[in-house]
Amino acid sequence: QLQLQESGPGLVKPSETLSLTCTVSGGSISSSRYYWGWIRQSPGKGLEWIGHIYYSESTYYNPSLESRLTISIDTSRNQFSLKLFSVAAADTAVYYCARLPEYFYGSVGFFGAPYFDSWGQGMLVTVSS
Amino acid sequence: QSALTQPASVSGSPGQSITISCTGTRSDVGGYNYVSWYQQHPGKAPKLILYDVINRPSGVSNRFSGSKSANTASLTISGLQAEDEADYYCSSYTSSSTYVFGTGTKVTVL
Repeated sequence: QLQLQESGPGLVKPSETLSLTCTVSGGSISSSRYYWGWIRQSPGKGLEWIGHIYYSESTYYNPSLESRLTISIDTSRNQFSLKLFSVAAADTAVYYCARLPEYFYGSVGFFGAPYFDSWGQGMLVTVSS
Repeated sequence: QSALTQPASVSGSPGQSITISCTGTRSDVGGYNYVSWYQQHPGKAPKLILYDVINRPSGVSNRFSGSKSANTASLTISGLQAEDEADYYCSSYTSSSTYVFGTGTKVTVL
C-alpha cells in the first residue's frame, strides 16, 4: 500500500528557506506511471498547488511561486523534495506531498493527471522569528 | 488564478441528498472535463472522491456523484451518512496548465 510521508523543520524564520522531503513507501518513485507533487493549505488561502515533478526531473511549477521554488527528486532514496526560498508569514501552511497518475491529454501527450490520487498526512510549517 | 467558488456550508439530514456547487470560468471548469473533488475530515489529508467530473476512484462509495454544466460543477451526496460530515473541495485543471482549488464547503449532517 502506497504511503507518502512529509518531513522537515516545522519552524522557519522569515527570509530563510523552507525545505521539506517526501518519502514514498509501497511504490517506486522511478515509475513512469506517476508524477509527484506538493500542495499546501493555509487558513487564508485554502488549498494551493505548488508544483510537481516526474522521475525524469521534469518540473511543473505554480507561476506565483516559481521564482522562489525548487522541486527535486532522488530516485535512489525514493524521495522528492521541496525548497521554498525567502519565506514570509504568508507561507505558513500545512504542506502535503501527493501523487499524480500519468495522464493522456490527447494531442499534447502525457503529463501529470489533473488530480491527486494519494496524499501524505501533511506537515505544518510555521514561518516566524 | 482565482479560487473556484463553493458555498461555505451545506447541511442535510441522514438519508437525504445534498449538492455542492463549484463555479469557475471558461478557463478552468468550463473549458475542460478535468474537475476533481476531495473530502477532508478534520486534521486529515484530503482524499480524492471524484475525478474527471464523474469518475470515482476504486473504493469510493457510489453515493458520491458528479456533474458539470457550463462553468459550474456539482458534487451530489445521496443517502447522507454521519461519516460524510467533512469539508469538500473541488479542483480544476486550467488553460494555463495549472491547478486551482475551490474555497471549500463544510458539510454538516443534522
